[in-house]
Amino acid sequence: QSVLTQPPSVSGAPGQRVTISCTGSSSNIGAGYDVHWYQHLPGTAPKLLIYDKSNRPSGVPDRFSGSKSGTSASLAITGLQAEDEADYYCQSYDSSLSGLWVFGGGTKLTVL
Amino acid sequence: QLQLQESGPGLVKPSETLSLTCTVSGGSISSSSHYWGWIRQPPGKGLEWIGSIYYSGTTYYNPSLKSRVTISVDTSKNQFSLKLSSVTAADMAVYYCARHGSHLTTVITWWFDPWGQGTLVTVSS
Repeated sequence: QSVLTQPPSVSGAPGQRVTISCTGSSSNIGAGYDVHWYQHLPGTAPKLLIYDKSNRPSGVPDRFSGSKSGTSASLAITGLQAEDEADYYCQSYDSSLSGLWVFGGGTKLTVL
Repeated sequence: QLQLQESGPGLVKPSETLSLTCTVSGGSISSSSHYWGWIRQPPGKGLEWIGSIYYSGTTYYNPSLKSRVTISVDTSKNQFSLKLSSVTAADMAVYYCARHGSHLTTVITWWFDPWGQGTLVTVSS
């Protein structure tokens, strides 16, 4: 049971926009702590996609964007491409004894 | 370009100690302001942070694993290591190492980047 809750899967057709939610609580996202997002293709190293809620590392397309409101955060992907098919994880800090730096359970994005 | 690579036995017997090493290339652990961390992913499950270490030896551990985890650093080899004792089937996972946050910033902002490719550790007799 992950501290941050994500939908197990989402899907979309090429060119469409999809969002992935990440729901936390008052001890993590709701406390105002930053949310970061990772993209993971099985067998490869997870890749930082978004940091500090909405910032993109160099090389990450602006099709990827992050937002946060209350105890939840969202990752939006516009202009969906086949290469976006991957697992996506959110991460934040938690001030309870849940583990300090905590992750979501991951969301599998399928490009139809 | 900073790169990290995990290494260690892929099979550990129940009740024994899991030992992994992360070798950092393209940068020096001792000259970095960053912490260095371990994360794992059990089959079919999400990611779990295990612990992180600074080159000076200062550590943070996941409270749920703290009693069984030891993370150490060898600056001469540019490596940091993970030991997890008394393993059970629940410890079977892909283990990743990654660069964690900088001590120059507040811990609540920390993320992991870059990551190693991960190594699968199976727990079986």
